[in-house]
Amino acid sequence: DQQVKQNSPSLSVQEGRISILNCDYTNSMFDYFLWYKKYPAEGPTFLISISSIKDKNEDGRFTVFLNKSAKHLSLHIVPSQPGDSAVYFCAARSSGTYKYIFGTGTRLKVLA
Amino acid sequence: DVKVTQSSRYLVKRTGEKVFLECVQDMDHENMFWYRQDPGLGLRLIYFSYDVKMKEKGDIPEGYSVSREKKERFSLILESASTNQTSMYLCASSLTGDTEAFFGQGTRLTVV
Repeated sequence: DQQVKQNSPSLSVQEGRISILNCDYTNSMFDYFLWYKKYPAEGPTFLISISSIKDKNEDGRFTVFLNKSAKHLSLHIVPSQPGDSAVYFCAARSSGTYKYIFGTGTRLKVLA
Repeated sequence: DVKVTQSSRYLVKRTGEKVFLECVQDMDHENMFWYRQDPGLGLRLIYFSYDVKMKEKGDIPEGYSVSREKKERFSLILESASTNQTSMYLCASSLTGDTEAFFGQGTRLTVV
């Protein structure tokens, strides 16, 4: 049973526009959420995180929004750049555990 | 910067061989993890460790074991490699359960 779901396998966006990547989760015990970016043949790189006590966290061009009632989080990238082209994974951690559960990833392609 | 180093980038092994994947982190992190990444399945947790000599099974531990004799080193062992263990293996570490995990560059294992 997939507890963290990224329903869009791929997304294409024009350079300079906004990229919105979505993630849904089923476990109401998740209290810490993260986004990672991954280039081919490399390990994932941490981008941004959010605690369940917040509904928004911003870091430069990256903003993560959390809607706890809908069990949904999203990553906004503004403006999108060609170097942002990668696979993006969302991850969640349940309160009181050390495990990070990852989604299946969304491949973002930013077109120049 | 945190550095998580995996011993090999690419590895080819024969069916039935015992395989060791090594991971070392240099930031005195408490927690270490082994994931595998497969197309369409995202990152799946194999095992994790929250302290020296402590380990817990993740979501797909069958066919694997781990060893953590020193804080900085976490080894993944394939007792008898099989072709369905062909995958990208990713090691990660985190300081605590409330912080992000940092990943190594990955080991692409092919079992023939």
